[in-house]
Amino acid sequence: DTAVSQTPKYLVTQMGNDKSIKCEQNLGHDTMYWYKQDSKKFLKIMFSYNNKELIINETVPNRFSPKSPDKAHLNLHINSLELGDSAVYFCASSLGQGAGGELFFGEGSRLTVL
Amino acid sequence: DAKTTQPPSMDCAEGRAANLPCNHSTISGNEYVYWYRQIHSQGPQYIIHGLKNNETNEMASLIITEDRKSSTLILPHATLRDTAVYYCIVRSRGAGNQFYFGTGTSLTVIP
Repeated sequence: DTAVSQTPKYLVTQMGNDKSIKCEQNLGHDTMYWYKQDSKKFLKIMFSYNNKELIINETVPNRFSPKSPDKAHLNLHINSLELGDSAVYFCASSLGQGAGGELFFGEGSRLTVL
Repeated sequence: DAKTTQPPSMDCAEGRAANLPCNHSTISGNEYVYWYRQIHSQGPQYIIHGLKNNETNEMASLIITEDRKSSTLILPHATLRDTAVYYCIVRSRGAGNQFYFGTGTSLTVIP
């Protein structure tokens, strides 16, 4: 069983479109994250949610809107896609915001904007 | 922002110990040292973390200097599957304290 699963794994779309990436974790964790890894391989945190509440938004454009319907899910919706949005997006989860510190990552969703 | 410095790349012979250094000279007293790795095209994987004592688990050992300004991750018997980018991160526990990944060290294990 996959601990943190993301769908889709690959997404190719045109500029200006709206797309969503879904993430689910079955670890019973209460904190979930979205990270973006660009072509230079820098891995940057975008959002952090704890118990469905947004706790971190790292100056991400308003076109990105995370939604957490419950503790096990954190979806990422992106409006008006731009070329610069092309990247691999990783979802992660952890137990608590600070305890332990072990992040579990999904396998990533590679978004290509044409 | 990342507060660590790591060499961009290293090689290690298969079967030998891989010693990956990390400098964190501005680490504060309540910050832990974490290590993650990312095998090509996969999500990052947690390896180990510590505060000031040396730590060991089934994957690796973490040696932290007495002044805590640097640390070394040791993979005792490197295999080809250990080829990956290794990230050293310092982070304090608590709400809102996030994992900031730097550029890491690209380790290549050579047959």
